[in-house]
Amino acid sequence: NAGVTQTPKFQVLKTGQSMTLQCAQDMNHNSMYWYRQDPGMGLRLIYYSASEGTTDKGEVPNGYNVSRLNKREFSLRLESAAPSQTSVYFCASRGQEQDYGYTFGSGTRLTVV
Amino acid sequence: KQEVTQIPAALSVPEGENLVLNCSFTDSAIYNLQWFRQDPGKGLTSLLLIQSSQREQTSGRLNASLDKSSGRSTLYIAASQPGDSATYLCAVRLNTGNQFYFGTGTSLTVIP
Repeated sequence: NAGVTQTPKFQVLKTGQSMTLQCAQDMNHNSMYWYRQDPGMGLRLIYYSASEGTTDKGEVPNGYNVSRLNKREFSLRLESAAPSQTSVYFCASRGQEQDYGYTFGSGTRLTVV
Repeated sequence: KQEVTQIPAALSVPEGENLVLNCSFTDSAIYNLQWFRQDPGKGLTSLLLIQSSQREQTSGRLNASLDKSSGRSTLYIAASQPGDSATYLCAVRLNTGNQFYFGTGTSLTVIP
């Protein structure tokens, strides 16, 4: 099925470890996004990429880096994981037509111990 | 910064009841507003996208309205069913910028 695919679905890290969350979409969308979802705080934007080759910071970028590898793929990297980064991470994409809304992936549940 | 509020945080209704979920936002210069459904442990599923020039959008038993001047949107669910139990989120995109601002959601339970 067409959509946004995230891997892995679950991950446990020790403090200080690094990892990369992968996201790929097959809808030929230009814009891609990384959000984190925490209880009582809603979804907050970490980084986004309006088009291939560009990335911009969102509301909570500290501790993260991103790479827009090509039009399909947008990865999120935690260089040195901290317990405060325990969260559910969602990737989303949006078509180039301005009227389009978001399509979300199923999420990655990350626990940092 | 756009602030998006959803009240109530939780709602429990008997099956068959019609209900309204509320979303309010502080900046009325919006481009569009999107309603999502999120099931426990799952991602977000888009329900309705309503443009700033529109007053409402309908899909099946769902109807979303938008009043930009008052900074409000409502999601009306007709003849609720247990399968409607989920968290409902609204997200607002401003005229400037590329991101959506999310509310914290309303957790709906429909009791059989």
